[in-house]
Amino acid sequence: GAVVSQHPSWVICKSGTSVKIECRSLDFQATTMFWYRQFPKQSLMLMATSNEGSKATYEQGVEKDKFLINHASLTLSTLTVTSAHPEDSSFYICSARDTRADTQYFGPGTRLTVL
Amino acid sequence: SQQGEEDPQALSIQEGENATMNCSYKTSINNLQWYRQNSGRGLVHLILIRSNEREKHSGRLRVTLDTSKKSSSLLITASRAADTASYFCATEGKAAGNKLTFGGGTRVLVKP
Repeated sequence: GAVVSQHPSWVICKSGTSVKIECRSLDFQATTMFWYRQFPKQSLMLMATSNEGSKATYEQGVEKDKFLINHASLTLSTLTVTSAHPEDSSFYICSARDTRADTQYFGPGTRLTVL
Repeated sequence: SQQGEEDPQALSIQEGENATMNCSYKTSINNLQWYRQNSGRGLVHLILIRSNEREKHSGRLRVTLDTSKKSSSLLITASRAADTASYFCATEGKAAGNKLTFGGGTRVLVKP
């Protein structure tokens, strides 16, 4: 099946710093990618839809200035958590939609811990 | 936003038994998908059922969809210890622009 990678798989940072997470579709082109966050023992909550070549669409309640999304190519979207705080600690998961199919393929996730 | 509900929230069974979990949703959908997530890992796509389909099989998995009741079920037959994971349903709404809305998940423990 299609493969989506995320980098890094985990990151620990100090409060106030910014962290960039990459999401890549390895064997298909994805005009649309999605970013989710997941708290322990909870479900995935959609944060934003990343569209190649245009601005991301954010879900209600998600601060666009805090979670910067860039989708500069058909295989790469990045999520930057700016001025991270401990409450931003979470599991961040991306998915990429294969335009040839109805299926979204999910990355392995990035665990962010903000001290 | 619409959030599906799954029940049970947790399920503990013996290896070899069947596991059934249910998912309900609120709006009209294009399709409903089931995913598995092992602890701390990404999601693995299991099966997709379209709104005009009623039942689908894949290996030991059987999914049903009842659009009149806005519900779906996932049955895992002859469960194995390796099936231990969280299972999520996700719906792609007709007006959602391919966005998926996830249910709360069912944590399944298969005891050897």
